[in-house]
Amino acid sequence: AQRVTQPEKLLSVFKGAPVELKCNYSYSGSPELFWYVQYSRQRLQLLLRHISRESIKGFTADLNKGETSFHLKKPFAQEEDSAMYYCALSWSSNTGKLIFGQGTTLQVKP
Amino acid sequence: NAGVTQTPKFQVLKTGQSMTLQCAQDMNHNSMYWYRQDPGMGLRLIYYSASEGTTDKGEVPNGYNVSRLNKREFSLRLESAAPSQTSVYFCASIPGLGYNEQFFGPGTRLTVL
Repeated sequence: AQRVTQPEKLLSVFKGAPVELKCNYSYSGSPELFWYVQYSRQRLQLLLRHISRESIKGFTADLNKGETSFHLKKPFAQEEDSAMYYCALSWSSNTGKLIFGQGTTLQVKP
Repeated sequence: NAGVTQTPKFQVLKTGQSMTLQCAQDMNHNSMYWYRQDPGMGLRLIYYSASEGTTDKGEVPNGYNVSRLNKREFSLRLESAAPSQTSVYFCASIPGLGYNEQFFGPGTRLTVL
């Protein structure tokens, strides 16, 4: 069965420090991976997807099929990055369903 | 465009009461989804509707029913609420199958006493 694991419930860093939010998945086929973010009092929104290979708000994520990982990275954290981050996997274009990880709260301290 | 809207924003129920959570989208999207969000569990899919007129169970459907009223609206019903259904409920939609970015509503915070 498909599974997404985010091992850290909470990640706390100081402003300007590098950030890496971990995401591991299990799926035997070719998945599509996403990172969603939920800022305080805002709705969940897409941050980036592996297919786009883009950098959004300074964040990047590379799909590593060998390690089945899709870690989210940013070289210099900002206070406004504080939020809940969810890694998600899509495996079925017939249904559009997503499986989400447990979520990681990123806290960036001044 | 309002995007995906949900009503109510907050609700408190007593065990055994019933209620319907409403979701609507004005983006002409074909597929819609209901999730529940619980601490440490992430978002779990309750039911989804791949297109108007179809609904299917997700990961945690027990205790819930859904209706895809038309292309815009997808409601979630709790027939006999239980404390285990205390959660934040999110509705989401996508333009169509094969397009996997989901657009989310603001959520409904439900407490069952």
